[in-house]
Amino acid sequence: DSGVTQTPKHLITATGQRVTLRCSPRSGDLSVYWYQQSLDQGLQFLIQYYNGEERAKGNILERFSAQQFPDLHSELNLSSLELGDSALYFCASNPWGNLNTEAFFGQGTRLTVV
Amino acid sequence: EDQVTQSPEALRLQEGESSSLNCSYTVSGLRGLFWYRQDPGKGPEFLFTLYSAGEEKEKERLKATLTKKESFLHITAPKPEDSATYLCAVQRDDKIIFGKGTRLHILP
Repeated sequence: DSGVTQTPKHLITATGQRVTLRCSPRSGDLSVYWYQQSLDQGLQFLIQYYNGEERAKGNILERFSAQQFPDLHSELNLSSLELGDSALYFCASNPWGNLNTEAFFGQGTRLTVV
Repeated sequence: EDQVTQSPEALRLQEGESSSLNCSYTVSGLRGLFWYRQDPGKGPEFLFTLYSAGEEKEKERLKATLTKKESFLHITAPKPEDSATYLCAVQRDDKIIFGKGTRLHILP
């Protein structure tokens, strides 16, 4: 158990809809990272938040947004969903403000868009 | 263009048969190269960080090495529990790029 909690574990929704994925980081970690993993693209870095502020942006689509709350949990919002958004979405956390790939990953949320 | 390529895509070994996984990269301003292990249906688990050419790190049956163009993950006398997908990632100041991984299967 990494200590990073993601909910829900599975999500099925229709095209055009909006969903919210939730992540609670490890105790004491201030940075949260979001990743998307699909069969054809592999693991792709989306965005990093540190102590409530956006710190780094990767390949995140404009239809996607994230935020980190004062209690340090984070949410990833995906809107106007398309079939191609079906993927595993991972959250990871670490204590550091600078971008750092070394992190603890959650178990992921499997999103299926139908 | 920054790129990470892992080979082979898949590898089947007999228990005890040592081998190496390759991660070749082209990136400017490398800040670190990272290895992860991912079991089916789970999140990646951090293994190693390498920062400079010539650096080596070891953990149990795994040893990671780094040159200016590639990294190797050597697996010595593997056991069935080493079966997993091994991911390599490189980092710049502003970017993280993962390879697509090598699926390793160790037969008992």
